[in-house]
Amino acid sequence: KAGVTQTPRYLIKTRGQQVTLSCSPISGHRSVSWYQQTPGQGLQFLFEYFSETQRNKGNFPGRFSGRQFSNSRSEMNVSTLELGDSALYLCASSGGTGLTYEQYFGPGTRLTVT
Amino acid sequence: SQKIEQNSEALNIQEGKTATLTCNYTNYSPAYLQWYRQDPGRGPVFLLLIRENEKEKRKERLKVTFDTTLKQSLFHITASQPADSATYLCALVDGSGNTGKLIFGQGTTLQVKP
Repeated sequence: KAGVTQTPRYLIKTRGQQVTLSCSPISGHRSVSWYQQTPGQGLQFLFEYFSETQRNKGNFPGRFSGRQFSNSRSEMNVSTLELGDSALYLCASSGGTGLTYEQYFGPGTRLTVT
Repeated sequence: SQKIEQNSEALNIQEGKTATLTCNYTNYSPAYLQWYRQDPGRGPVFLLLIRENEKEKRKERLKVTFDTTLKQSLFHITASQPADSATYLCALVDGSGNTGKLIFGQGTTLQVKP
């Protein structure tokens, strides 16, 4: 089985712009979660989608949003980018029904905001 | 406040020895706890999941314990090898049922010297 794929792998954006990141989960997985990883804050949970519904959301501002499509692929969007949004954005899929099951992570998208 | 803590200092051990990593949590009541390995520039890789009613779980050279009274999980790698050098993350689900947030510790970097 192919693993979790994320596109693009690297991205450079300017403050104030918006960005959309994409995640394709492992075939058959219906749960997709997104995380932000920075050296200072570590891995922080953004949100989780299951069957196109957002089931939970972390403590991030409304500039961070996401969605999931019927084929379980997911996108996350960050609007009005700030310098502090520079991070590695990881998505993970799960074959179970939620976060209590092991998460399979993608390689991440490295976002740099200048 | 809620916290999940891992040793922030790197753990350096000699090849062949047992590495023991600690994960302590405060003001959570997780039903599950997970351990992941992360190599530089890559997404975390799932290693083990342990449930609150399981005191210990093993997988090859890995062993995890879960003490809900002490609010602590220990992660052991026996007969360590240089290839085990990586950052190890513990994670717990904050929430109930299949929803909630997956909360990660900051990780402990393990360096195994030949």
